[in-house]
Amino acid sequence: DTEVTQTPKHLVMGMTNKKSLKCEQHMGHRAMYWYKQKAKKPPELMFVYSYEKLSINESVPSRFSPECPNSSLLNLHLHALQPEDSALYLCASSQVRAGGADSYTFGSGTRLTVV
Amino acid sequence: AQSVAQPEDQVNVAEGNPLTVKCTYSVSGNPYLFWYVQYPNRGLQFLLKYITGDNLVKGSYGFEAEFNKSQTSFHLKKPSALVSDSALYFCAAPFTGTASKLTFGTGTRLQVTL
Repeated sequence: DTEVTQTPKHLVMGMTNKKSLKCEQHMGHRAMYWYKQKAKKPPELMFVYSYEKLSINESVPSRFSPECPNSSLLNLHLHALQPEDSALYLCASSQVRAGGADSYTFGSGTRLTVV
Repeated sequence: AQSVAQPEDQVNVAEGNPLTVKCTYSVSGNPYLFWYVQYPNRGLQFLLKYITGDNLVKGSYGFEAEFNKSQTSFHLKKPSALVSDSALYFCAAPFTGTASKLTFGTGTRLQVTL
């Protein structure tokens, strides 16, 4: 299995809703990432997990809450989002190598719309 | 500070012609450089990477990239473009620390026409 699977593919939520994005990989990768991508812009890093521990939080608002229950799963819990949070949310995974030399495998993303 | 830059927002090329998508870098130490491609409403797909060794790196779908240390460039190339190559291309480099994080250039939209 050489894929990163993200669900759902599309999500529409109200500003008072609570929802979760899910990401799964079975490649044995021990680093997992959440990125946010606005239209026609590069992906922006949100969180990095290394060996199931949060290692980087790029000053993301607390309405985004990541969770890594095991080495294959990564969740992003969403609560009280704003319309400007509408974007494509990408999950990625990689091996953990010195110097960050390993390539990332990306999922197809969740298209989130906040209304 | 480490960064990559893509000076062109869009590149237009006719099918069958060679294509080049430009990337320059500012990285301390030995650079690790990547190219990714993104098709509409999809995630990013890995094309190729440079770590050390040969300056000409071959990747997926017939793409290659040339690492040039003196010009601090890592341009993506393909000898003969296809309409299906039309997509958004990102150059990237990792910032290393306790965990690596991949940071992307601004992206270049490649449009290949018949």
